[in-house]
Amino acid sequence: DAKTTQPTSMDCAEGRAANLPCNHSTISGNEYVYWYRQIHSQGPQYIIHGLKNNETNEMASLIITEDRKSSTLILPHATLRDTAVYYCIVRVANSGGSNYKLTFGKGTLLTVNP
Amino acid sequence: NAGVMQNPRHLVRRRGQEARLRCSPMKGHSHVYWYRQLPEEGLKFMVYLQKENIIDESGMPKERFSAEFPKEGPSILRIQQVVRGDSAAYFCASSGQQNTIYFGEGSWLTVV
Repeated sequence: DAKTTQPTSMDCAEGRAANLPCNHSTISGNEYVYWYRQIHSQGPQYIIHGLKNNETNEMASLIITEDRKSSTLILPHATLRDTAVYYCIVRVANSGGSNYKLTFGKGTLLTVNP
Repeated sequence: NAGVMQNPRHLVRRRGQEARLRCSPMKGHSHVYWYRQLPEEGLKFMVYLQKENIIDESGMPKERFSAEFPKEGPSILRIQQVVRGDSAAYFCASSGQQNTIYFGEGSWLTVV
């Protein structure tokens, strides 16, 4: 079962920052927070992941609270092409040579409006 | 999504036929995952394979579905005697030493 809670939907104006929250209050010490998104009729796209430090890449920033019970994905300048379902997933780090699957919840439908 | 190749992208089968979906992982990746997404539903894990081994098949239906990832060649998801309820998008993903999972663009199966 998914171990995260996300709002069902959010709206954002084009050009503004989109801040997508995620609660993962039962996260374990060896679990990472991953973010993926799925644009309609496409495969899920990896965005970013982190353990406890804030992370930034060319797509987004990930802010994880100090207690690791929640996080926020930030798209700094949303465009219409960022309209998608965004998934926050917790996943155990690699252990013993086998990786662990991703368990998807319902995610947040982000709609970027012109 | 660049790198994980799935084919065919679209497949139409009549009820009772077999469907074979192929997945070539990203270069250097030895872990493959299959997911299914029914119309208007979420992504559901089916199976996780490493080369020549099934690691986790907890999401695979008990009958008609099988998966393999041979030493050489792509991973294959095989659905025998398809029914209308098998119509869905099937996504393959792969990962390597870095552990991050990357997805392909999917194969859309329509059973008529």
